[in-house]
Amino acid sequence: DVQLVESGGGLVQPGRSLRLSCAASGFRFDDYAMHWVRQAPGKGLEWVSGITWNSNNRDYADSVKGRFTISRDNAKNSLYLQMNSLRPEDTALYYCAKDIGESPPRGLWGQGTLVTVSS
Amino acid sequence: DIQMTQSPSTLSASVGDRVTITCRASQSISSWLAWYQQTPGKAPKLLIYKASSLESGVPSRFSGSGSGTEFTLTISSLQPDDFATYYCQQYNTYSTWTFGQGTKVEIK
Repeated sequence: DVQLVESGGGLVQPGRSLRLSCAASGFRFDDYAMHWVRQAPGKGLEWVSGITWNSNNRDYADSVKGRFTISRDNAKNSLYLQMNSLRPEDTALYYCAKDIGESPPRGLWGQGTLVTVSS
Repeated sequence: DIQMTQSPSTLSASVGDRVTITCRASQSISSWLAWYQQTPGKAPKLLIYKASSLESGVPSRFSGSGSGTEFTLTISSLQPDDFATYYCQQYNTYSTWTFGQGTKVEIK
């Protein structure tokens, strides 16, 4: 099956860390850039971070720069997001998403993993 | 950083109406613009990519146009399944995206 499956979310106290994972299947993972996108409860979509196919370029939203780190392991068809110094405003559903690209599957997103930052 | 400004934020319409949503980029993004539809509890669904290309399986009542900094999504005849929130997204570089604020299409 062509899919992305996120894991690693949960309830965490402010200031603590969490690592999200995204397992890809059904397409050539190492051909595509990958992204993390989040959505706070009742809010819009916010791009968090992206990484090129070879990890040479990694970009971050200003809201997470210096606290979050994106990485990937092409041998394991996996994407990661290391989240440090978590804040209550980081509470959101975190989606893993494949770059749109030129050929199918284009708009491939996971179902999301919920991160709740609260004491 | 490229900013995306989407309007309106809310739109009230009836079944059968023609609906247009606008998205403006803070700098030229050529045609690297996508449109998504999201319903509550679901991941976003890609409708349009490269500004005007219809994603496979998406009904032809959806269309996109524009290039550079001005883009539109048009639904030619609104159907009950179309009441949802729509987002534009720029993907001008491989590792950076930006989304518009979203447009909620409500039943009038």
